[in-house]
Amino acid sequence: SQTIHQWPATLVQPVGSPLSLECTVEGTSNPNLYWYRQAAGRGLQLLFYSVGIGQISSEVPQNLSASRPQDRQFILSSKKLLLSDSGFYLCAWGGPLTRNTGELFFGEGSRLTVL
Amino acid sequence: AQSVTQLDSHVSVSEGTPVLLRCNYSSSYSPSLFWYVQHPNKGLQLLLKYTSAATLVKGINGFEAEFKKSETSFHLTKPSAHMSDAAEYFCVVSARDTGRRALTFGSGTRLQVQP
Repeated sequence: SQTIHQWPATLVQPVGSPLSLECTVEGTSNPNLYWYRQAAGRGLQLLFYSVGIGQISSEVPQNLSASRPQDRQFILSSKKLLLSDSGFYLCAWGGPLTRNTGELFFGEGSRLTVL
Repeated sequence: AQSVTQLDSHVSVSEGTPVLLRCNYSSSYSPSLFWYVQHPNKGLQLLLKYTSAATLVKGINGFEAEFKKSETSFHLTKPSAHMSDAAEYFCVVSARDTGRRALTFGSGTRLQVQP
């Protein structure tokens, strides 16, 4: 069966420090991968999605970047964190877009607090 | 273009009473519809999905939803609430738009279950 792992689960970082959140998927190949952010009391905002190694699409301009160095690895990064980057970050995977019905499977999330 | 409206940001019920969480959608394409549940500081778990088969969809934990095209609704119901149902619920629409599936999340409904 497929599993998705996300770490770290909790992170407290000062403003201006770098960020790296990692996500890996097991039990499937060539997944579509997604990074979402959930701000307190709000819905989910899609940040990045990837359909393959090195292929990243950004949905919103921001202080963050994403990379996909391996088929089942997705990394969210920042060179200098802002206070507004605080939130709950969720990684998700889904099947090939043309052959599935769109459901995504989510990791446990990473809570980032920027002080 | 597509959108999702969750009509209630908060719903409170007593344990053992029915649950109704309302969702309306709009989509230019034949949509797939999902309900996800999120417990505090956790990822999202798929409850159920509608993918153009039976209009009454049964999910996990006794939840079900009915797709009503004429009303553009996909309300989530459960006959008898349990304390463990207290969580945030998201209605999601997915439609194939210009070759890729676009997922749109509702803003969420927080369900409280009173003893």
